[in-house]
Amino acid sequence: GENVEQHPSTLSVQEGDSAVIKCTYSDSASNYFPWYKQELGKGPQLIIDIRSNVGEKKDQRIAVTLNKTAKHFSLHITETQPEDSAVYFCAALNSLSGSARQLTFGSGTQLTVLP
Amino acid sequence: DTGVSQDPRHKITKRGQNVTFRCDPISEHNRLYWYRQTLGQGPEFLTYFQNEAQLEKSRLLSDRFSAERPKGSFSTLEIQRTEQGDSAMYLCASSLLVGELFFGEGSRLTVL
Repeated sequence: GENVEQHPSTLSVQEGDSAVIKCTYSDSASNYFPWYKQELGKGPQLIIDIRSNVGEKKDQRIAVTLNKTAKHFSLHITETQPEDSAVYFCAALNSLSGSARQLTFGSGTQLTVLP
Repeated sequence: DTGVSQDPRHKITKRGQNVTFRCDPISEHNRLYWYRQTLGQGPEFLTYFQNEAQLEKSRLLSDRFSAERPKGSFSTLEIQRTEQGDSAMYLCASSLLVGELFFGEGSRLTVL
């Protein structure tokens, strides 16, 4: 099955700086890669996703890049703000698989933005 | 609010008791998922419904766990004879498209 590794497990940045979180996946057939933000006591919230037919996607201050050859993808947050502090999870999915259509999540990154 | 709704949000029970969680998905979503999340970990897949059919179950879903989605709308997850190792956040998610999951706030279970 799919295995997703996420680094770093914790990340502290100064407000206004950029933050980068990286994930690698094992199943070369995976073709959908979402990122979730989870605040304390809440469920994960989808913030951005990318499919394997594109290499980069941006939405305001957040962007995701995908390198299919190396089987890794990254989340980039620019101009970080204190409200960006949360746990971020990457995930991977092979949406064409006839059986395992569930997301496999990384172990999470606790991002702290220091004012 | 038209998001995924879960009930109860918190449940404390004694070992050996049965508990049931309910999930109401986003109304037009035909796919419904249950995940389990323990502290410091990402969500782990438990089971998946498409409409009322339970199409996939994880090996994590022991025979003490049962999930239903009787009319293809809300779903229940029951845990029988709870054990301390069952303590976790149980997350429900729904989707219209494969992969684009929208999660509820979760039901936190504490087994004493």
